[in-house]
Formats: sequence, structure tokens, C-alpha cells
Amino acid sequence: DTGVSQNPRHKITKRGQNVTFRCDPISEHNRLYWYRQTLGQGPEFLTYFQNEAQLEKSRLLSDRFSAERPKGSFSTLEIQRTEQGDSAMYLCASSLNSGAGYTFGSGTRLTVV
Amino acid sequence: GQQLNQSPQSMFIQEGEDVSMNCTSSSIFNTWLWYKQDPGEGPVLLIALYKAGELTSNGRLTAQFGITRKDSFLNISASIPSDVGIYFCAGSGGTSYDKVIFGPGTSLSVIP
Repeated sequence: DTGVSQNPRHKITKRGQNVTFRCDPISEHNRLYWYRQTLGQGPEFLTYFQNEAQLEKSRLLSDRFSAERPKGSFSTLEIQRTEQGDSAMYLCASSLNSGAGYTFGSGTRLTVV
Repeated sequence: GQQLNQSPQSMFIQEGEDVSMNCTSSSIFNTWLWYKQDPGEGPVLLIALYKAGELTSNGRLTAQFGITRKDSFLNISASIPSDVGIYFCAGSGGTSYDKVIFGPGTSLSVIP
């Protein structure tokens, strides 16, 4: 197992465009989390899945953001009508049980110009 | 919501020195975690603490889960250049239950 994989590593997009990121968790992990990290800050929770069910969404996740995990394996995070304030590192993590330390991917760095 | 504070915000130390950093919370956590993040990478778990008062070591790293369950510290002994990075404390359980809440980080620079 190669750990948590995120693609792409970097994405530059024009304001107003839609973007989609993919996360492949560690195969036996049933929980998958999305976080957002801006420069100089710690990761901020966005949403998480247990298998294919989305169990919690942060108030940070506006209606322009949607996440899916259709078969309980990989997940996608889509941002519609991107804004400059969406520029950040988007981190995915997975774990086997709740409360356990996560394993993070290397993140997708989004720049909205 | 729950918030974590870390101190100091940044540190510059000489190689070989010991390092100590703290984390405090406005509310109780059931699990405390310490992560390290290198530039352009995701955080990597260093130590996990599951019980109030627990003291755990991982090589040159030692961390403790505070008795009040509202604080934790991380010590690094005999620092080396590869210790450079940002150290995050994080907590889960309590009102955050299923998700991990991160502090703002302590940036560590090691001067050879």
C-alpha cells in the first residue's frame, strides 16, 4: 500500500471555473476526511465519510463545494465557480476507526487566479 | 467551537538543543495527537496520546496528555537539522467527537 494518494498535486484555475480533486485512501480504511489548509494555519476540517456515507460537513463547506465517495473507496471534492479565497492546500486523510490518528496525503495545492 | 492554541508560534534553535512546545485547548479532548508537516507535504503523525496523564516517547520525541485533558506538550531532545518543520497539535473526542481539530502550529528552525 502506497498510502493516501491525491491528484492532482497542483491546480491553477481561473476564477469562476470548476475544479475537481481526487483522493485514494489506504485501501482498508473506512473513514475518509477532507481538510483545507491556508498559509500559516493548521488544517481545517471540511467533511468526512464513513464508507460511502457523508457523516458531517463543516460550515466552511459552502454550497459551491461538494464531496462524494460513491463506492466507499476513492473520494472526489468539487469546487464550483471558484473564487480567489478558495486558494489553499486541500488535504485528504483516511483512518480505520474514529479517533485514531489519520494518515494524510500530500495534498492538492489550488491557486485561483 | 473547540479551539487549540500552540506556543511558541516559532522557534529558532541550535542543533543539539532540546525543544519544548505546548498546546492548550478551550475544552476537553479524549485523544491528543502531534503531527509534523514538511513544506508541500501533508502532516505526518508523530505521537498519539489516549489517556489523561499519559507520557509517550517515540525516539527523541516525548509527549504528554495533560491531566486536565485540556493541554499537551511535545519535547524533542538533541535536535537535528531534519527536525525542521511545522509541528501541529491536534485533538479529537469531546464535542468534536469524530473529527480531529488542529492547532495553528509551531514552526521549528534548527541552525546547524
